[in-house]
Amino acid sequence: AQSVSQHNHHVILSEAASLELGCNYSYGGTVNLFWYVQYPGQHLQLLLKYFSGDPLVKGIKGFEAEFIKSKFSFNLRKPSVQWSDTAEYFCAVKPLNTGGFKTIFGAGTRLFVKA
Amino acid sequence: DAGVIQSPRHEVTEMGQEVTLRCKPISGHDYLFWYRQTMMRGLELLIYFNNNVPIDDSGMPEDRFSAKMPNASFSTLKIQPSEPRDSAVYFCASSLSNSGGADGELFFGEGSRLTVL
Repeated sequence: AQSVSQHNHHVILSEAASLELGCNYSYGGTVNLFWYVQYPGQHLQLLLKYFSGDPLVKGIKGFEAEFIKSKFSFNLRKPSVQWSDTAEYFCAVKPLNTGGFKTIFGAGTRLFVKA
Repeated sequence: DAGVIQSPRHEVTEMGQEVTLRCKPISGHDYLFWYRQTMMRGLELLIYFNNNVPIDDSGMPEDRFSAKMPNASFSTLKIQPSEPRDSAVYFCASSLSNSGGADGELFFGEGSRLTVL
């Protein structure tokens, strides 16, 4: 079955620290890849997405992610986090050419940034 | 655009009662999804519709759950009878497909927080 694994459930960082959140998926075909963010008490919103082309994609608020096809990974990075980045981050995968339109989410990583 | 609109935002009910959650997708979007979020299970896809037709309901927990989409601008998720383990945040999301299905970005509503006592 298709699945998405996020390596860390909880991450605590100090402001200005660098961030990397791991994401791996299990699907051998073509995929669209997403990172969504959920700020406390809010709904999920798109942070960035990869469909094709340059495997290094840039999103909002200084986030970027790199698609490594050989590793089935789509890790999220930010060079210097801010207190306002405290949120839960979800990696999501949409397999293509399956006849369906499902997006599968990872379990999420809760990031807490200390001021 | 107003975005995806869900109601109610909060619902507290007693075990055995019927619960109806409502969703208005973004106008023009042809896909609608119902997700459930809990601490234990994360974000689970319950069911999704394409052009008002249910496509995949394999995530619906059991027969107590049902979903409908009578038209392009309205969907309901009903739980009857409700149980304490149904307590969760229920999100509705909509999406717009394009040729080849190369999109798929989901636009989420604010969610409906359900507490079943």
